[in-house]
Amino acid sequence: QKEVEQNSGPLSVPEGAIASLNCTYSDRGSQSFFWYRQYSGKSPELIMFIYSNGDKEDGRFTAQLNKASQYVSLLIRDSQPSDSATYLCASNSGNTPLVFGKGTRLSVIA
Amino acid sequence: DTEVTQTPKHLVMGMTNKKSLKCEQHMGHRAMYWYKQKAKKPPELMFVYSYEKLSINESVPSRFSPECPNSSLLNLHLHALQPEDSALYLCASSQKAMSGASVLEYFGPGTRLLVL
Repeated sequence: QKEVEQNSGPLSVPEGAIASLNCTYSDRGSQSFFWYRQYSGKSPELIMFIYSNGDKEDGRFTAQLNKASQYVSLLIRDSQPSDSATYLCASNSGNTPLVFGKGTRLSVIA
Repeated sequence: DTEVTQTPKHLVMGMTNKKSLKCEQHMGHRAMYWYKQKAKKPPELMFVYSYEKLSINESVPSRFSPECPNSSLLNLHLHALQPEDSALYLCASSQKAMSGASVLEYFGPGTRLLVL
């Protein structure tokens, strides 16, 4: 059974702080990892993807992948109230369908 | 441009009705997906079309019938639904990332369905 695990939260951080969202996966064959942001009542929006060990940065977002530990994380620097959303971690192996975690709800407090 | 469009945005239907959800993308993606999402749950895969052929059916009840008329369009025909089928129905499409095996899936805005 391929599983992606996330803490459901809520994770509360003050405005301006770094939010750290974590995800583990069970399938060692997973090749690619994705972070989607989903605002309440809206559809998921792809914000980051990573497939190599290490860090990948895009603006205020940094995705981190450690395949040995089967661990993926998303760091959000200078968190803003507009970052408050549910963050879905997902993985796949090449062309296989995405396996989603249950999502972590982030609340950034002004 | 990573736009996937879906119509209608909202749909209310009775259990005896027949309705269709529509999805369109013009990104040249050759894989298209239907997902169902209940509140506070992740998206749940229903169907995958690859090159206009149904490649994955996740044991979805026959009251949901997908159709892919061409590479840009995806429909989901609904008939005799149950109240528990009320959910957000998401369409997605995917490409291959330039540098490897990553398949980037982009979601449409969804259709919020209420079955009475």
